[in-house]
Parts: sequence; C-alpha cells; structure tokens
Amino acid sequence: GAGVSQSPSNKVTEKGKDVELRCDPISGHTALYWYRQSLGQGLEFLIYFQGNSAPDKSGLPSDRFSAERTGGSVSTLTIQRTQQEDSAVYLCASSRDGLSTDTQYFGPGTRLTVL
Amino acid sequence: QKEVEQNSGPLSVPEGAIASLNCTYSDRGSQSFFWYRQYSGKSPELIMFIYSNGDKEDGRFTAQLNKASQYVSLLIRDSQPSDSATYLCAVRGNNDMRFGAGTRLTVKP
Repeated sequence: GAGVSQSPSNKVTEKGKDVELRCDPISGHTALYWYRQSLGQGLEFLIYFQGNSAPDKSGLPSDRFSAERTGGSVSTLTIQRTQQEDSAVYLCASSRDGLSTDTQYFGPGTRLTVL
Repeated sequence: QKEVEQNSGPLSVPEGAIASLNCTYSDRGSQSFFWYRQYSGKSPELIMFIYSNGDKEDGRFTAQLNKASQYVSLLIRDSQPSDSATYLCAVRGNNDMRFGAGTRLTVKP
C-alpha cells in the first residue's frame, strides 16, 4: 500500500475487555514497530519486529500486552483485560530493513479509550 | 533520568525568526538521531536524521549532532506559522527508537 494503515481508527471499550489493534505496514518493509502515545506525551516504544527474527518485546508494559506479526506483514497488538491507564493513541510504524539509519513511517494511529 | 530529554516548551518565535530545538540523550551507544514533526491529532512525520557529528542541512532545517556532549539540535530558519507543531527528538539504539516528550513550537505571524 501507499502508507502504513491501522484499524480501527478509534476504539472505545469497557474496563476488563480485550482489544485487538491491527497494523498493515508499507509493502516490502521488513521492520515493524508499535508505540503508545498518551495525551501530551512522547512516544513510548512497545515492541519491534524484524523479518522472521524473534521480536524485541522489551517495551511492553505488562503481560496483558502481546503482539504478533503474521507472514512478516500484518501485525496485531492485543491488550487483555484493559485498564483505564491503557487509554492512549497506539501508533504503528514500519521501515524498510530496520537498520539504524532507516526511516520509520507512521500510520495514523488507533485512539483507544477505556471507560 | 529520562533517556531522551527535550524542553517541553511551549517555544514561541515570531515569523521569520530562527527556532532552536534541543535534545539530550543518555545512551552513549546511540547510533542515529531523528527529528519528527507532529501536528495536533496527527502522526509523527520525519523531518530529517543525522548520524555523524556536525551539521546537516536540508532546506530551512539544520540538524546538529555532538556525540561527545550527547546533544542533538534542530534549527528552523525563516520560521513560518505552518511550522507550529510538536517536534519530537528520537534516538536509535540497536533495535528500538526512544523518543523525547517533544517540544511544542508556536510561530506567531
């Protein structure tokens, strides 16, 4: 595709429910990143996928968060038993090959609101 | 100490002036440095990156890197109202990218 796409654009859920957020990276990009941005804050790194390598999960805030990437393309971020503090914009980015000078291109984000 | 620190601002400059945005980082092993611009309610978009000490110019933007001082800056010449946004400094290690909280810039006509 022309850019990184994410769905849904907005998600409102009740505390305790599970949610799934989807990211479609730019075609051909092997690296995929998930970030979280709370209101007025910077981006918090969550997880990084590079090709078929084991993902770097060092940024996931708790074991309620998990992510997978199927076929080296689409990624799903799952949050189980959502809490109000999970409310944020979840941004996905992809880059060509994950090298240190590689440019990351961001999707439009999913705004998650946990009531 | 935060890994990437920026003044939150807001930084206000008049139209046509030079805006100077600063960023410090804690990891000496950091390899590359990025400046992103984020308009309110939008996703970050890359302005430029730098990975060698010194200056790198691209149009009205100049990035400056000093690895010894662990300092990176962004200068915006001839600032325009359309430059009003939050500017995010990002520092790349081996796998991840660490972002600062951003500096909010307002350019007044």
